[in-house]
Amino acid sequence: LAKTTQPISMDSYEGQEVNITCSHNNIATNDYITWYQQFPSQGPRFIIQGYKTKVTNEVASLFIPADRKSSTLSLPRVSLSDTAVYYCLVGDMDTNAGKSTFGDGTTLTVKP
Amino acid sequence: SAVISQKPSRDICQRGTSLTIQCQVDSQVTMMFWYRQQPGQSLTLIATANQGSEATYESGFVIDKFPISRPNLTFSTLTVSNMSPEDSSIYLCSVPLGGSYGYTFGSGTRLTVV
Repeated sequence: LAKTTQPISMDSYEGQEVNITCSHNNIATNDYITWYQQFPSQGPRFIIQGYKTKVTNEVASLFIPADRKSSTLSLPRVSLSDTAVYYCLVGDMDTNAGKSTFGDGTTLTVKP
Repeated sequence: SAVISQKPSRDICQRGTSLTIQCQVDSQVTMMFWYRQQPGQSLTLIATANQGSEATYESGFVIDKFPISRPNLTFSTLTVSNMSPEDSSIYLCSVPLGGSYGYTFGSGTRLTVV
C-alpha cells in the first residue's frame, strides 16, 4: 500500500475554503484515493473517493492531477463543525482485500 | 450503507483481565476489519475477520492476544486478552460501504486498563 504524506495541522476561519493536499508518490495504477474525516470519540467517516481528475459530492471536492502523485481535498466554506482530523488513504481496494492503511492525518482547526 | 453497532462504548478494566468487544452490522458483509487507535495517534489495522475462516492478523498482532470470532456475516468479536495499561486504546470495527471503495466504522470502544 502506497505511503501517504499530509500536513500535520492546518488552521482556517469560518467561511473560507480549505485545501488539504496529500502526497502519494508511489501510487500504483490500480490504486484509488479515499479521504476520511474523524471527530473526537468517533470512528472515521468516509468523505470522498477518486481515481483521477476531479470528483465532487455534497461534502467536498477531490482534485487529482494527471500523474496522480498527489491529491487535494477541498472543503468549501468551512464552519466550526468541520474541525476534525482528515485522513488520506491510497490503495488497490480489490487486491488488497479492502485493507486501509491510515497515515498520520491532518488536524484541521476552524476558528470563528 | 451499512450501519455498525459496537459494544461496549467504553470500559475500564483491571490489568490481567480480558475484554470482548462486539460489532454488529445491519447487513451481511464478507469482510470485517478491526483497528486500534492509541491516544492521539492514527488508526492501525489489527486484523481482517473472515466468515468461516481464521482471521488474518497484521504484523505485530497475534491471535493469542487478540482472538477474533466471526460466526456469521453480520457479527464479529475482538477480545483483548491479558490486558496491560499499554492496551489502553480505542478499538474500532469497520466494513465496506458498498458501491464505493470507502468503509464505514463503528463508533469505537474506548478501553482503559488500570
